[in-house]
Amino acid sequence: QSALTQPASVSGSPGQSITISCTGTSSDVGGYNYVSWYQHHPGKAPKVMIYDVNNRPSGVSNRFSGSKSGNTASLTISGLQAEDEAEYYCSSYTSSNTLAVFGTGTKVTVL
Amino acid sequence: QVQLVESGGGVVQPGTSLTLSCVASGLTFSRHGMHWVRQTPGKGLEWVGVISDDGSNQYYADSVKGRFTISRDNSKNTLYLQVNSLSAEDTAVYYCAKDRNTRAVRGVITQWGYLEYWGQGALVTVSS
Repeated sequence: QSALTQPASVSGSPGQSITISCTGTSSDVGGYNYVSWYQHHPGKAPKVMIYDVNNRPSGVSNRFSGSKSGNTASLTISGLQAEDEAEYYCSSYTSSNTLAVFGTGTKVTVL
Repeated sequence: QVQLVESGGGVVQPGTSLTLSCVASGLTFSRHGMHWVRQTPGKGLEWVGVISDDGSNQYYADSVKGRFTISRDNSKNTLYLQVNSLSAEDTAVYYCAKDRNTRAVRGVITQWGYLEYWGQGALVTVSS
């Protein structure tokens, strides 16, 4: 099972919006609405930001939103803030024997 | 609040075995499935496997099937990951995570959830 494809890095200035893509196949991202996104600051516990493509857990800022089109899911961060600087990973259920797959990860830099 | 604390990591020799633990607090442990995820140096996250709330079902990534065993002791609020025949490729930070929303009927996954809370991880280094 190959990892989902994400851009290695995305950057933006404070207040701007950025979008991170996550490309898979019809066996994972395209086939199910089980895409989630995780924020990871180095040395800390990862944190879920979006689940089931476009749902925000309680306590997550509404600056974070998710969507999906075909085999590609996206995470948009609006009103970029310094605290958003982190690594972001998408994840999807997959119909392969390995039930879940993560993306390659995207480093978000706030300029 | 929910806390997950992994332990048992360290430097181990190739070919040996290791058991990681994850102690949970702030939740009714016996009511939730639990995952293990690892992050290899300089690389991304890899899902390792998940165990059902009562421990009766375990599911593994193909890459670890047959070498890794996930178990739990609900009386101790503790999750375990036993890793056998360790190699350099197993060098990673291992995270435990609480499941939310995954459902199974007679062992067949009918709904996939997400990893709601994570621990900070335990580093395992395989080196001679």
